[in-house]
Amino acid sequence: DTEVTQTPKHLVMGMTNKKSLKCEQHMGHRAMYWYKQKAKKPPELMFVYSYEKLSINESVPSRFSPECPNSSLLNLHLHALQPEDSALYLCASSQARQGNEQFFGPGTRLTVL
Amino acid sequence: DQQVKQNSPSLSVQEGRISILNCDYTNSMFDYFLWYKKYPAEGPTFLISISSIKDKNEDGRFTVFLNKSAKHLSLHIVPSQPGDSAVYFCAASAWSGGSNYKLTFGKGTLLTVNP
Repeated sequence: DTEVTQTPKHLVMGMTNKKSLKCEQHMGHRAMYWYKQKAKKPPELMFVYSYEKLSINESVPSRFSPECPNSSLLNLHLHALQPEDSALYLCASSQARQGNEQFFGPGTRLTVL
Repeated sequence: DQQVKQNSPSLSVQEGRISILNCDYTNSMFDYFLWYKKYPAEGPTFLISISSIKDKNEDGRFTVFLNKSAKHLSLHIVPSQPGDSAVYFCAASAWSGGSNYKLTFGKGTLLTVNP
């Protein structure tokens, strides 16, 4: 299995809602990543988990809360988002010692109303 | 400050010809470079990579060249096919301590291959 899966594909939420994005990989990768991509912009790193521990937080607002329940799963909990948070949220994974080569999921298209 | 630059937002080539996508970087700490291909509404797909200790890596129709002194890399696609039409992102990797690596992406180049 060489795939990173993400659910849901699309999500529309209000500013007072609480929702979660999910990511799963079965490649045995021990590093997992969340990226945010706005239209016509490159992906921007948000968080890195290495061996299920948060190792990088790129100064992301606390309304985004990542969680890594086990080595195959990565969640991103969303609460009190703003319309400017609307974007494509991408999950990626890599070998922990080869974090160079990251494999991406298809993304969740998030719209905040 | 943009550390990875793709100065051509778009490129159009004829099917069967060569496509050359360029990328420049400024951070000398980058030691690994990757090219990703992205279709609309999909995540980036890894294409090919090159370590800073090499100057060329080839995989089928795709070749990446690295000129470390010029801080420049390029992706050659020969022959180009209509299915290659997508946005191509250049990415550079730097070690961030422990087992952490950070990828920095360029803004992407939209390649259109015309039949």
